[in-house]
This record gives sequence, structure tokens and C-alpha cells, in this order.
Amino acid sequence: DGGITQSPKYLFRKEGQNVTLSCEQNLNHDAMYWYRQDPGQGLRLIYYSHIVNDFQKGDIAEGYSVSREKKESFPLTVTSAQKNPTAFYLCASSIPTSGGRNTQYFGPGTRLTVL
Amino acid sequence: AQKVTQAQTEISVVEKEDVTLDCVYETRDTTYYLFWYKQPPSGELVFLIRRNSFDEQNEISGRYSWNFQKSTSSFNFTITASQVVDSAVYFCALKGVWAFNYGGATNKLIFGTGTLLAVQP
Repeated sequence: DGGITQSPKYLFRKEGQNVTLSCEQNLNHDAMYWYRQDPGQGLRLIYYSHIVNDFQKGDIAEGYSVSREKKESFPLTVTSAQKNPTAFYLCASSIPTSGGRNTQYFGPGTRLTVL
Repeated sequence: AQKVTQAQTEISVVEKEDVTLDCVYETRDTTYYLFWYKQPPSGELVFLIRRNSFDEQNEISGRYSWNFQKSTSSFNFTITASQVVDSAVYFCALKGVWAFNYGGATNKLIFGTGTLLAVQP
């Protein structure tokens, strides 16, 4: 079945450690996105990539890094510079079309907790 | 700037009641898209509907219906005869076509803060 997978589902990190969240899609989508969700808030865009080997910062990129070496993969690294990393992280993908009408489809999410 | 407001933080209904989730948006774009997503307790966002700004026809899909009114900048979502499985957080989202004109990422979705719907048996 086509879809988006994220791993792990739950992740615990000690302060000062970097961690990498995995996002893989087999939908043949060109565009991929990372969002952060905090309790009682909507989703906020961290990074996005419309094509392999290219990515752009979203609204809250500080303390995060990404890579896009393959079309189907868009891993997110939460670095020690991210001051408040405990959150729910969602990955999405879409077919980028002109005019913005594309729909983003989401993975199941990774819940990161800093101990 | 673009903004989505979901004023209802939490709604609790009893099974079989009808319930309407409100969504009000702001944008300077003349062409834009509106979305509704459902987030069940498992966490994954499930796409429900996409609407473009030129199509004001209401849409019905089973027990779900959507009322888009440009005059009031609203895109409300009604669930008829609610069921326990409808319990989830529902997000309304906006995407302007020319978001990059004022510093936004292209294809960026602007989300509301969500409405938690609890359907009691």
C-alpha cells in the first residue's frame, strides 16, 4: 500500500543529544514537509522540500536540520540547539503543482520527549 | 497575512446529535484553497476535503457536509448523526496561491488551532 511511514513512533532523548526522525514515502511525491505540533496548537512548518537535494526553512527551523538525498526520504534531525524539542512531529508529502491546489498527506507522527 | 481561526476549542455531544465545527479564515489572496483534516487519537492527520476559492457549492459526503461562504470568510464543517468514531481533533487549514508574495513558503498550509470533538455514547 502507498503511504507515509514515520519512525520511531515514540522517541526519548536526553538533553544535549541530537536525534533523527525518519520519514519515508512511496507515493512518488516530489514535495515533503515537516511540521511540529504542540498541545492546543495547530501545526507549524519546520522545513520543506519540493525536490531532491533542495529544501527550505519553514517558520520554526531553528534547532532543526534536514536532508533530501532521495525522493522518498526526508529525515529530520533535532539538534541540541533546539531549546524545547518535546512535541509531536508530523511528516507530510504532496505533488507540488502550480497554483497551490495540491493536497498534503500526513504520516502517523513521532512523539519526541526530552528527559 | 493569512490566518485561520477555530474559535471552538472543545465540543462535546451525545451520539446521534448533529454538530458544526466553525472555521473562519483571513487571506489577501483571491485564489486560495481550504482544507479540513481529522486527527484521531492515533495522531495521524487524515485529509477530509479540499475546496478552492472559486467553488462555493456546498459539499456532502455521507454524514459530512461543508458550507463555504466567501462573504463571511467561513468554511464550516457539519457532522450529521455523530458517532463515537467521530471523536477526534479537527483542523481547518488555508493555502494561498501567492503566499510567497508576502514572505510565506509556497504551498504552505496555515492551520487553525483545532477543535476537539468528543462524542459520548
